[in-house]
Amino acid sequence: GQSLEQPSEVTAVEGAIVQINCTYQTSGFYGLSWYQQHDGGAPTFLSYNALDGLEETGRFSSFLSRSDSYGYLLLQELQMKDSASYFCALNNTNAGKSTFGDGTTLTVKP
Amino acid sequence: KAGVTQTPRYLIKTRGQQVTLSCSPISGHRSVSWYQQTPGQGLQFLFEYFSETQRNKGNFPGRFSGRQFSNSRSEMNVSTLELGDSALYLCASSESGAGYTFGSGTRLTVV
Repeated sequence: GQSLEQPSEVTAVEGAIVQINCTYQTSGFYGLSWYQQHDGGAPTFLSYNALDGLEETGRFSSFLSRSDSYGYLLLQELQMKDSASYFCALNNTNAGKSTFGDGTTLTVKP
Repeated sequence: KAGVTQTPRYLIKTRGQQVTLSCSPISGHRSVSWYQQTPGQGLQFLFEYFSETQRNKGNFPGRFSGRQFSNSRSEMNVSTLELGDSALYLCASSESGAGYTFGSGTRLTVV
Protein backbone atom coordinates (compact mmCIF):
# COMPACT_ATOMS: atom_id res chain seq x y z
CA GLY A 1 0.00 0.00 0.00
CA GLN A 2 0.91 3.62 0.26
CA SER A 3 1.54 5.76 3.30
CA LEU A 4 2.60 9.33 3.89
CA GLU A 5 3.99 10.94 6.99
CA GLN A 6 3.95 14.61 7.83
CA PRO A 7 4.23 16.53 11.12
CA SER A 8 0.92 17.04 12.85
CA GLU A 9 1.58 20.65 13.87
CA VAL A 10 3.91 23.48 12.93
CA THR A 11 4.02 26.98 14.39
CA ALA A 12 5.75 30.00 12.87
CA VAL A 13 5.62 33.79 13.08
CA GLU A 14 4.31 36.19 10.50
CA GLY A 15 6.89 37.03 7.86
CA ALA A 16 8.96 33.92 8.49
CA ILE A 17 9.62 30.91 6.27
CA VAL A 18 8.31 27.46 7.15
CA GLN A 19 8.92 24.06 5.62
CA ILE A 20 6.44 21.20 5.92
CA ASN A 21 8.01 17.84 5.23
CA CYS A 22 6.36 14.78 3.78
CA THR A 23 7.92 11.34 3.60
CA TYR A 24 6.18 8.52 1.83
CA GLN A 25 6.22 4.84 1.06
CA THR A 26 4.91 3.58 -2.23
CA SER A 27 5.75 1.17 -4.99
CA GLY A 28 4.93 3.71 -7.66
CA PHE A 29 3.21 7.02 -8.21
CA TYR A 30 2.81 9.78 -10.74
CA GLY A 31 3.54 12.74 -8.53
CA LEU A 32 3.22 14.48 -5.19
CA SER A 33 0.56 17.14 -4.62
CA TRP A 34 -0.03 19.65 -1.86
CA TYR A 35 -3.35 21.01 -0.67
CA GLN A 36 -4.37 23.70 1.79
CA GLN A 37 -7.51 23.46 3.87
CA HIS A 38 -8.86 26.16 6.14
CA ASP A 39 -11.18 25.21 8.98
CA GLY A 40 -14.60 24.41 7.62
CA GLY A 41 -13.44 24.76 4.02
CA ALA A 42 -12.58 22.50 1.13
CA PRO A 43 -9.02 21.45 0.31
CA THR A 44 -7.45 23.77 -2.27
CA PHE A 45 -4.81 22.54 -4.68
CA LEU A 46 -1.47 24.30 -4.19
CA SER A 47 1.24 22.50 -6.09
CA TYR A 48 2.21 19.35 -7.95
CA ASN A 49 5.62 17.74 -8.50
CA ALA A 50 5.81 15.08 -11.16
CA LEU A 51 9.58 15.29 -11.41
CA ASP A 52 12.34 15.72 -8.87
CA GLY A 53 13.16 19.30 -8.04
CA LEU A 54 11.55 22.53 -7.00
CA GLU A 55 8.28 23.99 -8.25
CA GLU A 56 7.60 27.60 -7.37
CA THR A 57 4.22 29.28 -7.28
CA GLY A 58 4.38 32.72 -5.73
CA ARG A 59 5.14 32.47 -2.01
CA PHE A 60 4.76 28.69 -2.09
CA SER A 61 7.32 26.20 -3.38
CA SER A 62 7.24 22.44 -3.39
CA PHE A 63 10.07 19.98 -3.69
CA LEU A 64 10.29 16.30 -4.53
CA SER A 65 13.10 13.78 -4.28
CA ARG A 66 12.02 10.36 -5.50
CA SER A 67 15.32 8.77 -4.48
CA ASP A 68 14.75 9.92 -0.88
CA SER A 69 10.96 9.32 -0.90
CA TYR A 70 10.63 12.82 0.39
CA GLY A 71 9.01 16.09 -0.43
CA TYR A 72 8.32 19.38 1.22
CA LEU A 73 6.20 22.48 0.95
CA LEU A 74 7.94 25.78 1.60
CA LEU A 75 5.91 28.81 2.55
CA GLN A 76 7.66 32.17 2.49
CA GLU A 77 6.68 35.56 3.91
CA LEU A 78 4.10 33.91 6.10
CA GLN A 79 0.80 35.70 6.57
CA MET A 80 -1.88 35.14 9.18
CA LYS A 81 -4.17 33.80 6.47
CA ASP A 82 -1.71 30.93 5.87
CA SER A 83 -2.90 29.36 9.13
CA ALA A 84 -4.54 26.19 7.85
CA SER A 85 -4.01 22.47 7.43
CA TYR A 86 -1.67 21.34 4.68
CA PHE A 87 -1.86 17.89 3.11
CA CYS A 88 0.58 16.08 0.90
CA ALA A 89 -0.90 13.50 -1.44
CA LEU A 90 0.45 10.84 -3.74
CA ASN A 91 -1.14 10.73 -7.18
CA ASN A 92 -1.48 7.02 -7.55
CA THR A 93 -0.57 5.13 -10.68
CA ASN A 94 -4.12 3.81 -10.42
CA ALA A 95 -5.79 6.61 -12.26
CA GLY A 96 -7.89 8.99 -10.28
CA LYS A 97 -6.84 7.87 -6.84
CA SER A 98 -4.81 9.97 -4.46
CA THR A 99 -3.58 8.90 -1.05
CA PHE A 100 -3.44 11.75 1.44
CA GLY A 101 -1.25 12.31 4.48
CA ASP A 102 -2.96 13.11 7.76
CA GLY A 103 -2.25 16.80 7.37
CA THR A 104 -0.10 19.40 9.12
CA THR A 105 -1.79 22.17 11.05
CA LEU A 106 0.15 25.39 10.53
CA THR A 107 -0.38 28.18 13.03
CA VAL A 108 1.00 31.58 12.13
CA LYS A 109 1.48 33.91 15.08
CA PRO A 110 1.87 37.69 14.96
CA LYS B 1 -15.77 28.73 -14.77
CA ALA B 2 -18.02 27.47 -12.03
CA GLY B 3 -16.33 25.33 -9.40
CA VAL B 4 -17.27 21.91 -8.13
CA THR B 5 -20.77 22.01 -6.68
CA GLN B 6 -21.92 19.61 -4.01
CA THR B 7 -25.43 19.31 -2.67
CA PRO B 8 -26.70 19.34 -0.07
CA ARG B 9 -24.21 21.16 2.18
CA TYR B 10 -25.58 19.68 5.38
CA LEU B 11 -27.60 16.58 6.09
CA ILE B 12 -28.89 14.89 9.21
CA LYS B 13 -30.02 11.29 8.90
CA THR B 14 -31.04 8.53 11.26
CA ARG B 15 -29.20 5.23 11.62
CA GLY B 16 -30.43 2.71 9.11
CA GLN B 17 -31.54 5.27 6.55
CA GLN B 18 -29.89 5.78 3.21
CA VAL B 19 -28.56 8.97 1.67
CA THR B 20 -27.63 10.26 -1.78
CA LEU B 21 -25.11 13.03 -2.27
CA SER B 22 -24.62 14.92 -5.52
CA CYS B 23 -21.59 16.43 -7.20
CA SER B 24 -21.35 18.55 -10.34
CA PRO B 25 -17.74 18.81 -11.54
CA ILE B 26 -16.10 21.68 -13.32
CA SER B 27 -17.27 21.83 -16.91
CA GLY B 28 -15.00 19.71 -19.07
CA HIS B 29 -13.65 17.62 -16.20
CA ARG B 30 -14.46 13.97 -16.75
CA SER B 31 -12.81 12.57 -13.63
CA VAL B 32 -14.76 12.77 -10.39
CA SER B 33 -13.42 11.41 -7.11
CA TRP B 34 -15.09 11.09 -3.74
CA TYR B 35 -13.39 11.31 -0.35
CA GLN B 36 -14.54 10.94 3.23
CA GLN B 37 -12.94 13.26 5.76
CA THR B 38 -13.13 12.67 9.49
CA PRO B 39 -11.02 14.17 12.29
CA GLY B 40 -9.52 10.82 13.17
CA GLN B 41 -9.03 9.29 9.72
CA GLY B 42 -8.14 12.25 7.53
CA LEU B 43 -9.06 12.13 3.85
CA GLN B 44 -9.98 8.64 2.76
CA PHE B 45 -10.51 7.76 -0.89
CA LEU B 46 -13.92 6.31 -1.70
CA PHE B 47 -14.02 5.92 -5.47
CA GLU B 48 -13.31 7.64 -8.75
CA TYR B 49 -15.32 7.81 -11.94
CA PHE B 50 -14.24 8.68 -15.44
CA SER B 51 -16.63 8.79 -18.37
CA GLU B 52 -19.33 6.98 -16.40
CA THR B 53 -17.00 4.13 -15.39
CA GLN B 54 -15.69 3.45 -11.91
CA ARG B 55 -11.93 3.27 -12.35
CA ASN B 56 -10.90 2.87 -8.75
CA LYS B 57 -12.43 2.05 -5.42
CA GLY B 58 -11.16 2.54 -1.89
CA ASN B 59 -11.51 0.25 1.09
CA PHE B 60 -15.06 1.00 2.06
CA PRO B 61 -17.91 -1.47 2.57
CA GLY B 62 -20.41 -2.16 -0.17
CA ARG B 63 -22.89 0.17 1.53
CA PHE B 64 -20.99 2.96 -0.20
CA SER B 65 -21.69 3.18 -3.90
CA GLY B 66 -21.61 5.76 -6.62
CA ARG B 67 -22.28 6.48 -10.23
CA GLN B 68 -21.54 9.04 -12.87
CA PHE B 69 -23.87 10.33 -15.53
CA SER B 70 -23.15 11.21 -19.14
CA ASN B 71 -22.84 14.90 -18.22
CA SER B 72 -20.11 13.94 -15.69
CA ARG B 73 -22.29 14.72 -12.70
CA SER B 74 -21.81 12.12 -9.99
CA GLU B 75 -23.77 10.79 -7.07
CA MET B 76 -22.74 8.71 -4.14
CA ASN B 77 -25.09 6.66 -2.06
CA VAL B 78 -24.69 5.28 1.43
CA SER B 79 -27.21 2.70 2.53
CA THR B 80 -28.01 1.49 6.04
CA LEU B 81 -26.31 4.44 7.65
CA GLU B 82 -24.19 3.92 10.76
CA LEU B 83 -23.11 6.48 13.35
CA GLY B 84 -19.53 6.11 12.08
CA ASP B 85 -20.56 7.38 8.66
CA SER B 86 -20.83 10.89 10.07
CA ALA B 87 -18.22 12.83 8.15
CA LEU B 88 -17.53 15.48 5.56
CA TYR B 89 -17.90 13.97 2.10
CA LEU B 90 -15.83 15.72 -0.51
CA CYS B 91 -16.05 15.47 -4.24
CA ALA B 92 -13.16 16.48 -6.47
CA SER B 93 -12.85 16.85 -10.20
CA SER B 94 -9.81 16.89 -12.42
CA GLU B 95 -8.92 17.41 -16.03
CA SER B 96 -5.45 15.91 -16.04
CA GLY B 97 -5.13 14.16 -12.68
CA ALA B 98 -2.25 16.35 -11.58
CA GLY B 99 -4.38 18.42 -9.22
CA TYR B 100 -7.93 18.18 -8.03
CA THR B 101 -10.49 20.87 -7.42
CA PHE B 102 -12.63 20.04 -4.43
CA GLY B 103 -16.19 21.03 -3.75
CA SER B 104 -17.22 22.49 -0.39
CA GLY B 105 -18.42 19.10 0.72
CA THR B 106 -21.53 17.64 2.28
CA ARG B 107 -21.44 17.36 6.05
CA LEU B 108 -23.40 14.28 6.99
CA THR B 109 -24.47 13.69 10.55
CA VAL B 110 -25.98 10.33 11.46
CA VAL B 111 -27.98 10.25 14.69
